[in-house]
Amino acid sequence: DSGVTQTPKHLITATGQRVTLRCSPRSGDLSVYWYQQSLDQGLQFLIQYYNGEERAKGNILERFSAQQFPDLHSELNLSSLELGDSALYFCASSVTGTPNQPQHFGDGTRLSIL
Amino acid sequence: AQSVTQPDIHITVSEGASLELRCNYSYGATPYLFWYVQSPGQGLQLLLKYFSGDTLVQGIKGFEAEFKRSQSSFNLRKPSVHWSDAAEYFCAVDESGGSYIPTFGRGTSLIVHP
Repeated sequence: DSGVTQTPKHLITATGQRVTLRCSPRSGDLSVYWYQQSLDQGLQFLIQYYNGEERAKGNILERFSAQQFPDLHSELNLSSLELGDSALYFCASSVTGTPNQPQHFGDGTRLSIL
Repeated sequence: AQSVTQPDIHITVSEGASLELRCNYSYGATPYLFWYVQSPGQGLQLLLKYFSGDTLVQGIKGFEAEFKRSQSSFNLRKPSVHWSDAAEYFCAVDESGGSYIPTFGRGTSLIVHP
């Protein structure tokens, strides 16, 4: 058990809809990362937050947004969903958010777009 | 733009045999380099990382990797594979120079025969 909690574990929705994925980091970790893993795109880093502020941005679409709240949990919002957004979305957390800090990964949310 | 190549989609080895997983990257300077492992249904776990210094890096679970600048490679090795090592392995490169914006390879699936 990594200590990182992601909800829901599975999500099925339709094209054009909007969903919110939630991540609770490991106790004591201030930084949260979001990743997308799909058959087409492979594994991609989306975005990182540290103590409520955006720290780094990767290949995140404009239809996607994220935030980290004062209690340090994070949400990834996906809107105007397309079939290609079907993927496994991972959240990870680390203490300080620097590259030399190990990240602890959740088990992911599997999003299926019908 | 940086890219990461893992030439082997699948590798099959016998338990107890040695293992080498290949990773090549395209980037002019020395990036940060990572190897992650993903067991079925789980998130990623960091095996090891290279930032600078000694080019032979030791990681968890008996893995090591060697950075070879002349070959732009960061191959992962293990002298004796265990059945529990069967998983997906990802190489990642980060050229952001202090942030964390990794690019992942497509992964190598390791199959271990008894």
